[in-house]
Amino acid sequence: DTAVSQTPKYLVTQMGNDKSIKCEQNLGHDTMYWYKQDSKKFLKIMFSYNNKELIINETVPNRFSPKSPDKAHLNLHINSLELGDSAVYFCASSQADAVNGYTFGSGTRLTVV
Amino acid sequence: LAKTTQPISMDSYEGQEVNITCSHNNIATNDYITWYQQFPSQGPRFIIQGYKTKVTNEVASLFIPADRKSSTLSLPRVSLSDTAVYYCLVGDMASGGSYIPTFGRGTSLIVHP
Repeated sequence: DTAVSQTPKYLVTQMGNDKSIKCEQNLGHDTMYWYKQDSKKFLKIMFSYNNKELIINETVPNRFSPKSPDKAHLNLHINSLELGDSAVYFCASSQADAVNGYTFGSGTRLTVV
Repeated sequence: LAKTTQPISMDSYEGQEVNITCSHNNIATNDYITWYQQFPSQGPRFIIQGYKTKVTNEVASLFIPADRKSSTLSLPRVSLSDTAVYYCLVGDMASGGSYIPTFGRGTSLIVHP
């Protein structure tokens, strides 16, 4: 009955590979997000989707492409992985007005070697 | 976007009350104040949210002065398990997806035995 679930939890891959991280929420929320947390613990928003439509696309390389097949899912696909992509990626969701805050997944630790 | 400033770190001892203050001098009229808690290897967790005066729940209290240019998260009688990073966010959560939830560096609270 996990509210926001991400898979995989850990991902180790070589430079140049393409990988995907999946996210699903069962809260009935309208909006989903992807965040990146680097080694210095800064949490930076990458994307925001509202009802399957892209709302926010911060300055993120176009190697990163979010895909939302329905409003309960927001997957993150990364092409041509680079060493600097190593980080923890968090998925989150909220109601559109977010007055009850955001619910985060447990994160995916991506290590590019 | 309202910028927030928090202490980078705080230390406390079990059983003490901890108050973490966040400055947000350019808070806008429609902005809410929200606090999150993040444990290592987990996503941030919503603690409390308020607009003005005082809000209390089973976990914490949030004090907001009349000018709303700062807020104080109060954790009563902390325990070792309260060791975490605490983030203060300010924004117009009711703007429907166009709000960019921006996390600062947060305050790293360490509770000692």
